[in-house]
Amino acid sequence: DGGITQSPKYLFRKEGQNVTLSCEQNLNHDAMYWYRQDPGQGLRLIYYSQIVNDFQKGDIAEGYSVSREKKESFPLTVTSAQKNPTAFYLCASSKLGAQDGYTFGSGTRLTVV
Amino acid sequence: GENVEQHPSTLSVQEGDSAVIKCTYSDSASNYFPWYKQELGKGPQLIIDIRSNVGEKKDQRIAVTLNKTAKHFSLHITETQPEDSAVYFCAAITGGGADGLTFGKGTHLIIQP
Repeated sequence: DGGITQSPKYLFRKEGQNVTLSCEQNLNHDAMYWYRQDPGQGLRLIYYSQIVNDFQKGDIAEGYSVSREKKESFPLTVTSAQKNPTAFYLCASSKLGAQDGYTFGSGTRLTVV
Repeated sequence: GENVEQHPSTLSVQEGDSAVIKCTYSDSASNYFPWYKQELGKGPQLIIDIRSNVGEKKDQRIAVTLNKTAKHFSLHITETQPEDSAVYFCAAITGGGADGLTFGKGTHLIIQP
């Protein structure tokens, strides 16, 4: 079955470390997105990509970086510059134009220890 | 750009009663309006959507209505059950969809036994 897979489900980061969250989809979707969700809060857009080797900053891109070397993959790196990285991270994908909505992954919960 | 407002932020209803969640949007060119359900610790799942050429859509106990003139759309859940307890997000997208979906801030629906 086609879907979108995020890994790991739980991730712990030490102060000053960079960590990378994985997002892979086999839906043949062109567009991919990363969102951050804090407890009791809505979805805030970090980065999105509509085509391989191109991506755009969202509303809260500072302290994060992404790459889109393959259509199926859109990894997110949380850098040491992100001062408050503890959150639930969601990856999504869609056809170009998103006229059928998004398919979301199951999320990665990142905790700073 | 598009702006989506969602109300209420929390809704508590008795099991068996109906629940209504309302969203307004700002861009009259928006033409696709999905609703997502997010259970605790999981990614959002698409539960129903509506396009701008339709006024109402129903799927068993859930329905969505769209008023283009007033620029608002609503989610209706009838005969609520405990498994309906979740956070619900509305979203909207404008024609070309270059920037993806704009989400409301979510409604925490609580079904009281």
